[in-house]
Amino acid sequence: AQSVTQPDIHITVSEGASLELRCNYSYGATPYLFWYVQSPGQGLQLLLKYFSGDTLVQGIKGFEAEFKRSQSSFNLRKPSVHWSDAAEYFCAVGGYNTDKLIFGTGTRLQVFP
Amino acid sequence: EPEVTQTPSHQVTQMGQEVILRCVPISNHLYFYWYRQILGQKVEFLVSFYNNEISEKSEIFDDQFSVERPDGSNFTLKIRSTKLEDSAMYFCASRVRRGGETQYFGPGTRLLVL
Repeated sequence: AQSVTQPDIHITVSEGASLELRCNYSYGATPYLFWYVQSPGQGLQLLLKYFSGDTLVQGIKGFEAEFKRSQSSFNLRKPSVHWSDAAEYFCAVGGYNTDKLIFGTGTRLQVFP
Repeated sequence: EPEVTQTPSHQVTQMGQEVILRCVPISNHLYFYWYRQILGQKVEFLVSFYNNEISEKSEIFDDQFSVERPDGSNFTLKIRSTKLEDSAMYFCASRVRRGGETQYFGPGTRLLVL
């Protein structure tokens, strides 16, 4: 079955601390992987995506993610979190021959000053 | 930068009423989508639309739902007879082509069914 698991429902970090949000996927074909961010009351903004090639991808706002095929993971990282990063983060998987994205349940990030 | 827009931002309706949610995809995009997010839950795919027909739909997208591209710019989702469980945030998305292209999401319409 195709699915995305985000094991951490809620994460709290201090401003300036490093961050890693976990994402594991199950997908029968070559996966295309995405991280989206949703601020309160807002839509979904793409942070970064992986289709092929270099397994470490850079995104907006200083985020990066690493695709590890052997672990079926696509974890999101940021070296130093800012208070404005507080939001909900969604990992999603898609494929070449499908229209739909399958989303994880999201991780809510809280940042303390 | 072009973006997907949606109207209205909020809609309150009575159970059993019809609602139409509207979206204006990015102008050169050819594939259009609707997703929904029930409060506190994950975003779920509803339907995809290409070349004036549904290309893929989920089990959620039953006969109560329909989509249409009535003109060259708008893309609509109609719920014929709303139920309480249709209360959710509905997101429209579009992309240029299939494959690895990014889906760009609109800000959503929050629908509340009373």
